[in-house]
Amino acid sequence: ELKVEQNPLFLSMQEGKNYTIYCNYSTTSDRLYWYRQDPGKSLESLFVLLSNGAVKQEGRLMASLDTKARLSTLHITAAVHDLSATYFCAVATYTGANSKLTFGKGITLSVRP
Amino acid sequence: KAGVTQTPRYLIKTRGQQVTLSCSPISGHRSVSWYQQTPGQGLQFLFEYFSETQRNKGNFPGRFSGRQFSNSRSEMNVSTLELGDSALYLCASSYDSTGELFFGEGSRLTVL
Repeated sequence: ELKVEQNPLFLSMQEGKNYTIYCNYSTTSDRLYWYRQDPGKSLESLFVLLSNGAVKQEGRLMASLDTKARLSTLHITAAVHDLSATYFCAVATYTGANSKLTFGKGITLSVRP
Repeated sequence: KAGVTQTPRYLIKTRGQQVTLSCSPISGHRSVSWYQQTPGQGLQFLFEYFSETQRNKGNFPGRFSGRQFSNSRSEMNVSTLELGDSALYLCASSYDSTGELFFGEGSRLTVL
């Protein structure tokens, strides 16, 4: 059974500083997603990483995927309050043409002044 | 372009009742997936429908069922509700089974 682990589960960040959060998974996959969830809201798609070595950047967030290490990282540059939210990674697995996403538990980021 | 629409957004039921939740996917999307989100278990896959056929199913009891209509709209049903079924139920659509998922706002179910 696929396991997706995110760490840390909670991170208090100081405004203006850089941070990295991690997503490890236990089985082969070359498709990984990052989502953001604000309290009481749905999931907002941030990144889709489709191959080994994929790197995507949007604003202060940069995500990368290492399929050999089964690891994705989400790097935060110069944290700002607006980035406070819970971030989920999700790994796609396939059975024939069928796919499903297995989510990590999420990392709650809180940016303090 | 309209996003994924879920109804109702909030509902309260009592144990033993049943509930039906509805999901309208993004226009042109043929795959609809359902996920349950709880504080304890996180996000768990329920099932996926594609062209009216259930193509994948998560590890949930038979009380959880769903269907998809010819217009790709989907419903999920939970019968004989239990307290533990209280959760946010999220629907996601994609163009096909391997495409990026777009989530709706969710239906928050409370079972008393």
